[in-house]
Amino acid sequence: EAGVAQSPRYKIIEKRQSVAFWCNPISGHATLYWYQQILGQGPKLLIQFQNNGVVDDSQLPKDRFSAERLKGVDSTLKIQPAKLEDSAVYLCASSLVPRGSVTGELFFGEGSRLTVL
Amino acid sequence: GENVEQHPSTLSVQEGDSAVIKCTYSDSASNYFPWYKQELGKRPQLIIDIRSNVGEKKDQRIAVTLNKTAKHFSLHITETQPEDSAVYFCAARSYIPTFGRGTSLIVHP
Repeated sequence: EAGVAQSPRYKIIEKRQSVAFWCNPISGHATLYWYQQILGQGPKLLIQFQNNGVVDDSQLPKDRFSAERLKGVDSTLKIQPAKLEDSAVYLCASSLVPRGSVTGELFFGEGSRLTVL
Repeated sequence: GENVEQHPSTLSVQEGDSAVIKCTYSDSASNYFPWYKQELGKRPQLIIDIRSNVGEKKDQRIAVTLNKTAKHFSLHITETQPEDSAVYFCAARSYIPTFGRGTSLIVHP
C-alpha cells in the first residue's frame, strides 16, 4: 500500500515570497491533516479536512496560510507571504476515520521542510 | 481546546534500562491516546495507542497506562535498545488530535 506522498521535500525561500506544498493521502482515507512541526516541538495542527470539507482550521493563520482539498483527495497548503517564523517541517497525514469517530491511526508523509531566509 | 504536556523533554538511559515518558491532558472529553515515534529525519509512526475504556495496554517491550481521573497517561519501554533512540510524542484526541512537545530518548550502548 502506498503511503502519504508529499512534495517538495525541501524548499528554501526568502521572506515575503510564496510557497505551496502538495499532499496525496492514502487511497480511501477520508480525513486529511496538515501539521506544522517547528524544530524541537511537537506537530501543531493547522487544518483538518473530512473529504473536501474543513473540519477544523482554528490554528491556521488565515492572513497568510490557505489550504484546499479539491475533490476530496489531494490537498495543497499555501503560504503567502512567508515569514521567518514559518520555517518548519509541514507534515501531511491521513486517517481512515469516519466522521463522528475520534479514534484511528494517523499516517504521516515524509514532510516538506521549509526554510525562510 | 486540548492542551497536552509531556515530560521529560530529554531522557538518557543505558541499554537494558527502562524508560518512562509521562503526559497530561486537559480536555476530559479526550478518549483516544496514541504514541508516535519519530526517528531523525523520518515521519512520525504510531507505536501504541490506548482508548479511554482501557487502563493499560502492552505490546512486547512497550506499555501504556492511562489514568482518566488524573488525566495522565504514560509510555513505558522496558529493556531499552539503541534502536529505541528517537523522539516520542504523546497525543490526546477528543475531536482533533493534539500532540505533546516530544521526548528525545537516547539509549547508550
